[in-house]
Amino acid sequence: DAGVTQSPTHLIKTRGQQVTLRCSPKSGHDTVSWYQQALGQGPQFIFQYYEEEERQRGNFPDRFSGHQFPNYSSELNVNALLLGDSALYLCASLGVGRSTDTQYFGPGTRLTVL
Amino acid sequence: AQTVTQSQPEMSVQEAETVTLSCTYDTSESDYYLFWYKQPPSRQMILVIRQEAYKQQNATENRFSVNFQKAAKSFSLKISDSQLGDAAMYFCAYDGNTSGTYKYIFGTGTRLKVLA
Repeated sequence: DAGVTQSPTHLIKTRGQQVTLRCSPKSGHDTVSWYQQALGQGPQFIFQYYEEEERQRGNFPDRFSGHQFPNYSSELNVNALLLGDSALYLCASLGVGRSTDTQYFGPGTRLTVL
Repeated sequence: AQTVTQSQPEMSVQEAETVTLSCTYDTSESDYYLFWYKQPPSRQMILVIRQEAYKQQNATENRFSVNFQKAAKSFSLKISDSQLGDAAMYFCAYDGNTSGTYKYIFGTGTRLKVLA
C-alpha cells in the first residue's frame, strides 16, 4: 500500500520565479492538504482540496494556488517566489468520506529560494 | 482562533527512562481531535497517537500514552522505556472538525534527545 508521495524531494529557485510541487495521496484517500513548515517551526496549513475544489484556505497570499486532479493527486503552485517562501512543504491525505480525521503525511519537498 | 502551545523547545531522556512532553491548546469548540506526531530527521511526519475529545479515556499506543485533561485544555504525551529511535521532533496538533474540513493546527514542536 503506497503512502503519500511528493516530488521533487529538493528544489532550488531564485526570487521571482514560479514553482510547482506535486503530491500523490495514499491509496484510497480523496482529500489532500498542503502545509508549509519553516525551519524550526510547526507546519502551517495552506489549503485543502476535495473533489477537485479548494475547500478551506489558511492565511497565505494568492501567490499560493493549487489544483486537484480526478485521480486525487494535487499540485501546489507558488508564484513570484520570495526568500521567505523557503521551507519544507508537506502534503497530507485523508480517507474517503473522511470517516477518520487522521491525516497521513508525505516526506515533503524542501524548497530553497535564493 | 484555536492555538496550540508546546512550551518545551527541547527535552532529554536517558534510554529506558520515561519522559513527558507538554501541550496546551485553546478552543471554544467541544468536539475536536488531538494528535501527537513524530518528525525524525528524515522529515516525514509519523502519527504517534490520537485522542478524541469526547472520549474521557486516555489513548494508549504501546509505549506511548497521553494525559488528556479537557477542562484544563492539556494534552501531554508520555513515552515509557525510551529508545534511541524515539529521538525526533514531536508536534502536538489540534483538529477542530466543526466546519466539515480537516485542518490541523500545530504547535512549535519539542525536540526530544535520547541519551545512551
